Amino acid sequence: GIQVEQSPPDLILQEGANSTLRCNFSDSVNNLQWFHQNPWGQLINLFYIPSGTKQNGRLSATTVATERYSLLYISSSQTTDSGVYFCAVSNYGGSQGNLIFGKGTKLSVKP
Amino acid sequence: DADVTQTPRNRITKTGKRIMLECSQTKGHDRMYWYRQDPGLGLRLIYYSFDVKDINKGEISDGYSVSRQAQAKFSLSLESAIPNQTALYFCATSDARDGYEQYFGPGTRLTVT
Repeated sequence: GIQVEQSPPDLILQEGANSTLRCNFSDSVNNLQWFHQNPWGQLINLFYIPSGTKQNGRLSATTVATERYSLLYISSSQTTDSGVYFCAVSNYGGSQGNLIFGKGTKLSVKP
Repeated sequence: DADVTQTPRNRITKTGKRIMLECSQTKGHDRMYWYRQDPGLGLRLIYYSFDVKDINKGEISDGYSVSRQAQAKFSLSLESAIPNQTALYFCATSDARDGYEQYFGPGTRLTVT
């Protein structure tokens, strides 16, 4: 099955700093999503980005499907950005269509 | 109102008890999923359903069963709960109309003592 690796596993930032989170995947995918899991455990959809670049406020994401990686950029970080960021992929042409999750990047933003 | 809801949000139960977690969605999606998250890990698939008559086992289905009562409702049961089923459980939905982007419920935090 598809393997998903995220880096770095942990990241500590000072408020206002920028960061880049990386997601590598081992096979072709039709779906790639980035999520933010907040301290209460809720999964927030950030981006649905099987290819290309998208931006939403201070966050942006780029997926290069041919090279099998995706990047999540966080600019001018805020304490509310703290939590775990997950990358998840799937190939909905397969039998399941479920998402395969990486282990996440735990981000801590200090005031 | 949330598109994907889960009940209960928190539950503590004892070993050997039967428990049901419920998921409802108003998105009109055909596909529904149950995932489990253990501390420090990503989510893993328990069961999935592509429509009311199509239910399939996922990666970690042992000890669980499901019921798709309607397009909008998908329930997960633990027939005889055990402590290593303590986890955060998520329901999700997807559909071709949304490019199979998955939308998650708020999660159910289950503790088995």
